[in-house]
Amino acid sequence: QLQLQESGPGLVKPSETLSLTCTVSGGSISSSSYYWGWIRQPPGKGLEWIGSIYYSGSTYYNPSLKSRVTISVDTSKNQFSLKLSSVTAADTAVYYCARVNVRRYGDYDIDYWGQGTLVTVSS
Amino acid sequence: QSVLTQPPSASGTPGQRVTISCSGSSSNIGSNTVNWYQQLPGTAPKLLIYSNNQRPSGVPDRFSGSKSGTSASLAISGLQSEDEADYYCAAWDDSLGVFGGGTKLTVL
Repeated sequence: QLQLQESGPGLVKPSETLSLTCTVSGGSISSSSYYWGWIRQPPGKGLEWIGSIYYSGSTYYNPSLKSRVTISVDTSKNQFSLKLSSVTAADTAVYYCARVNVRRYGDYDIDYWGQGTLVTVSS
Repeated sequence: QSVLTQPPSASGTPGQRVTISCSGSSSNIGSNTVNWYQQLPGTAPKLLIYSNNQRPSGVPDRFSGSKSGTSASLAISGLQSEDEADYYCAAWDDSLGVFGGGTKLTVL
């Protein structure tokens, strides 16, 4: 059974960089059938797509966050990571890593989610 | 402001049928498939419907999805108390995932 686990600091200071890692177990991150993504959810609010990465390193970012986001992949460790720079209180959220299942062009879904990790931006 | 539009709330009594709508545009729902996710309090979302109307293994057939043009809907028949949750529609839009704002379903 595939499992995804987020890890990283739960508290980040304003203007600093938020860094999270997602460790994938029970399957290979190098499969051509999947993308790997990050989604966040501010407390009491809805879901926001941050971006995704293919095992080859191709990335796709939400335009609203693109200037601050970097997603990378380490196939040797079966991990992918998120960096979000210059954070503010508005970046406080539960951050989820997830697997994007590519069924065919235009037909994608998130079939596995991590449990999520709360990151609070505060001094 | 979410890219896809859902009603913020819906409700029904046990046994009833409820529907949740999701409205988008030609670049997302109009061009790609729609997925639905169920989020129980304090947990990660769970895939409920994929490819507009397909259920993953383990999802009861009380849940069904449909799509027409730039809109989609989720129907839940035989409503049960454990269906009380937040429901999100999602689609792809130019290599970017987009979500609806979520609908809080209350079972009265």
